[in-house]
Amino acid sequence: RKEVEQDPGPFNVPEGATVAFNCTYSNSASQSFFWYRQDCRKEPKLLMSVYSSGNEDGRFTAQLNRASQYISLLIRDSKLSDSATYLCVVITSGGSYIPTFGRGTSLIVHP
Amino acid sequence: DAGVIQSPRHEVTEMGQEVTLRCKPISGHDYLFWYRQTMMRGLELLIYFNNNVPIDDSGMPEDRFSAKMPNASFSTLKIQPSEPRDSAVYFCASSSQGPTNSPLHFGNGTRLTVT
Repeated sequence: RKEVEQDPGPFNVPEGATVAFNCTYSNSASQSFFWYRQDCRKEPKLLMSVYSSGNEDGRFTAQLNRASQYISLLIRDSKLSDSATYLCVVITSGGSYIPTFGRGTSLIVHP
Repeated sequence: DAGVIQSPRHEVTEMGQEVTLRCKPISGHDYLFWYRQTMMRGLELLIYFNNNVPIDDSGMPEDRFSAKMPNASFSTLKIQPSEPRDSAVYFCASSSQGPTNSPLHFGNGTRLTVT
């Protein structure tokens, strides 16, 4: 089993839709979690951190479920500009802190 | 702030040649990461440095790959000899307080093609 797994998609949704992605991780010692966004042929950029109690940033909501070992990202009122690949990042302690990226979930928002 | 600067943006080389990728992290960032991205494997961490010292190089594929950070403002990733399977986008990223507390800031990447 891979350390960090995501459904590659693509998720194809109309403008205004609500869409959610999950990301599962295998190491229960994982302690920090993030969502990054990567546009086509560009570098990844931080979208938001994921806190234990869940957190919201505008139309974006991130949740952590430690019992089931997954994090989620919810996007409300999707915009065309939300089209991108969303990468989850899990950081596990064990001597060194290694940020492990999932392979990403592709989102396409259409008019 | 200029951000993380990588060079070259594109590199096309023949199998067997030496390739050197360069990275200038954001000033004041103590952590520097080298990642490789391919369609098949996604983003893979190759090596990371803290205060110019390599902390974890378990992701370096084999002896053909080497990375150095001679000072706080410069790092290189060298592949010698290069092979077609090394074709990928190589990203450098820096972080101010370590990956658990601060985000990774990525450079634009170097797109390497080995023929």
